[in-house]
Amino acid sequence: NAGVMQNPRHLVRRRGQEARLRCSPMKGHSHVYWYRQLPEEGLKFMVYLQKENIIDESGMPKERFSAEFPKEGPSILRIQQVVRGDSAAYFCASSSGSGQYFGPGTRLTVT
Amino acid sequence: AQSVTQLGSHVSVSEGALVLLRCNYSSSVPPYLFWYVQYPNQGLQLLLKYTSAATLVKGINGFEAEFKKSETSFHLTKPSAHMSDAAEYFCAVSGTTTGTASKLTFGTGTRLQVTL
Repeated sequence: NAGVMQNPRHLVRRRGQEARLRCSPMKGHSHVYWYRQLPEEGLKFMVYLQKENIIDESGMPKERFSAEFPKEGPSILRIQQVVRGDSAAYFCASSSGSGQYFGPGTRLTVT
Repeated sequence: AQSVTQLGSHVSVSEGALVLLRCNYSSSVPPYLFWYVQYPNQGLQLLLKYTSAATLVKGINGFEAEFKKSETSFHLTKPSAHMSDAAEYFCAVSGTTTGTASKLTFGTGTRLQVTL
């Protein structure tokens, strides 16, 4: 049973470009969470989605960030007009309702 | 509201010595508690979780943790450290219901160093 998959693993964007991060949950999991880890810090919750629904986006920045989890396909975290401060590791986790299992993360570098 | 405090951002032990990583939590609702381990440039791996069953929880790689409600603690221990245990360890708390309560709130992490 494949674990949580994220791609790309590393992403470099220039300031002002868009970043798209993908997350495929474990088979049978319908809950997806996105977290951000800034250098030398713990993980901070961003958004929680179930299929086609955003359940909790209390950790998402108000502008430039959006997330979706369509009926078919992976969950997408989208960052528009990236800035240097967006450089971080972005992790998604999936759950069937008990315990969250994390992907390997996408490391975003904004130059 | 929930929060987690991990005492000691860096802990160093000798190989074969006891590992003790401290975690205290604050929660206005009955909590679920978790320990995760992160190796360099990798994702988080679930070590163990407390979900209101037994207060002493055994996890992978010989780790265990005890939930103590009176002390609001969930410290992680391992009797004998191995070099491969060197990593960053995160304690996390969530609510026990689904929905918005299920998001994880993490501590700032403890970096474990194991020396010969």
